[in-house]
Amino acid sequence: DIQMTQSPSTLSASVGDRVTITCRASQSISSWLAWYQEKPGKAPKLLIYKASSLESGVPSRFSGSGSGTEFTLTISSLQPDDFATYYCQQYNSYQYSFGQGTKLEIK
Amino acid sequence: QVQLVQSGAEVKKPGASVKVSCKASGYTFTSYDINWVRQATGQGLEWMGWMNPNIGNTGYAQKFQGRVTMTSNTSISTVYMELSSLRSEDTAVYYCARGVMVAAGFKFDYWGQGTLVTVSS
Repeated sequence: DIQMTQSPSTLSASVGDRVTITCRASQSISSWLAWYQEKPGKAPKLLIYKASSLESGVPSRFSGSGSGTEFTLTISSLQPDDFATYYCQQYNSYQYSFGQGTKLEIK
Repeated sequence: QVQLVQSGAEVKKPGASVKVSCKASGYTFTSYDINWVRQATGQGLEWMGWMNPNIGNTGYAQKFQGRVTMTSNTSISTVYMELSSLRSEDTAVYYCARGVMVAAGFKFDYWGQGTLVTVSS
């Protein structure tokens, strides 16, 4: 099974900051990676797929990059609505798995 | 518009089984996989498995092999997830999500509202 490791686990930042979350895969997954935003009591929301493709309707301040084993999610200028938990997800050989999550908190 | 509507909350005793439904609308039901993801309180997202409603193929996470069964009824555009031998650690919100394969990528683009399953004696 492929393990996904996110860092940091918690990130404190302020409105307007640029933040980056990293996701590492235990083996190469090419670009088979997605990012989701999760808020309490709500279903996860897709942000990025195929490592760097922005889902329709998602603000352009979100961007993704990487391939192989190392990936990043960047929020260029944090907005109040962005404080949430973020998960990466991989696909390989008919199996998916998520990272453990990164909680983005208000500083 | 695409919608996935799940069945209501369940309370089960340890050792019992639970069956959660996910009714799809707004798209061609047999053209997309349905995945199941769960989240225990205060914990992360955990992928459980997928089902192709067109041909009935399934794929389960190793952790749930032997305990989970996913089925579908195409006449009512509904996928079911049944989890057996429940234990307290299975208390969680269970989500269904539509899976889409794109060139060299994938996405879970629509999600159900979640179903809380509580396992308690």
